[in-house]
Order: sequence, then C-alpha cells, then structure tokens
Amino acid sequence: AQSVTQLDSHVSVSEGTPVLLRCNYSSSYSPSLFWYVQHPNKGLQLLLKYTSAATLVKGINGFEAEFKKSETSFHLTKPSAHMSDAAEYFCVVSGGIQGAQKLVFGQGTRLTINP
Amino acid sequence: GAGVSQSPRYKVAKRGQDVALRCDPISGHVSLFWYQQALGQGPEFLTYFQNEAQLDKSGLPSDRFFAERPEGSVSTLKIQRTQQEDSAVYLCASSFRSNQPQHFGDGTRLSIL
Repeated sequence: AQSVTQLDSHVSVSEGTPVLLRCNYSSSYSPSLFWYVQHPNKGLQLLLKYTSAATLVKGINGFEAEFKKSETSFHLTKPSAHMSDAAEYFCVVSGGIQGAQKLVFGQGTRLTINP
Repeated sequence: GAGVSQSPRYKVAKRGQDVALRCDPISGHVSLFWYQQALGQGPEFLTYFQNEAQLDKSGLPSDRFFAERPEGSVSTLKIQRTQQEDSAVYLCASSFRSNQPQHFGDGTRLSIL
C-alpha cells in the first residue's frame, strides 16, 4: 500500500521568506508524486508532478520539489513567500490498479503568510 | 467553461434523505474519479470510471453510496438514507487518460442535519 505523511499540519512564515513543506512517502514501487494546493472553498490545483524523470521538479507559482529516494521524501519549497500562497497544501502519491491513478492524499499542511 | 463542473455547490439534507451530486468532466476526458473530503482532512478516493465502466469502487464507504456514468461523460454520485457522517465535500476529478494529471472541480459541500 502507498501512503504519504505530511510532517507539519500548519506552517507559518513571513512574506518574502522561504517556504518549506515536508512530505515523506511510502511506496512498494517507483511512485508518482504530486503536490496540490487548495484555496478556501475551491477545488485542488496541481502544483507539480514527479514521475521518475528529473529529481528536482519545478512547478507553478515558483514552487519546486526534490525527490530523494534515500530519504523517501518529496519536500515542497519556494524561495520567497507571497501573501497569495496562503492555502492548504497536499502531498499526494499515486496508487492504483492496472494503471489507474487513484490518488492517495496526505493530511494536508495549512500555510499561513504573515505580512 | 473548460474545467470540471460540479453541482450543486452546496447541499443541505435531513438525515435519511437521498441526495444526488453531479459532475461534468472536461470534454474528452476518459477517466473520472470521485473523492470524499471530511473537514480538516485530505481527500479520500471513492470510485473511478473509465468511460462508462466503473473499474474501481473500493473506496465507497457503504452500499448506500452509488455512482454511475451511463454515457461515459456526466457522472452522478448518489447517497441513499443519508447519515450525519456523510457530511463532507465531495470532489470530482477527470483526466484525459488514467495516467494523466487529474483536474478537480470545486466540489459539493454536503451537510446532513
């Protein structure tokens, strides 16, 4: 079975400072990993996706994530936080049968940006 | 619009009533997924369609939950004899193929009184 653990339920940073959202995964085979963002009362938006190509994945809005197999981690980073980044972030691993990408979500990390 | 559309956005029902939630996927998307998101939690998989075929329904919590996609496009999630624990946001997602990124709708927030 596949799973992800988001190590922080809430992260608070000041505007203009770096963001780090931590995620560890468990998978019985080479996983596909994702980060999604969810703004209040909205659906989920894909930030970035890792599928065994480059280990450093660049996404939208200046976010990036690094796949580290030895640490089973897929942490999300951004060099400089913006007020519009305040949202809930989900680390996700794909887990399915016969190629179906049934997504398995972490519990989420709420990111707060302080002015 | 070009995105996944869900209706209604909000639904309030009394315990014991039946509800139906609708999902219009992106045109041409073969795969369609339903997820349930309880308050303060990450979404959890309910069921998956490829065209009109329901290939995985392992996440449906009970036989009160039923989903269909009869023509391989619009899908309906039906919950019979609703209970308070069914209160959640129900998210629909579609993808061009099963191994492509999923695009999510804004969800239906279901409240059972």
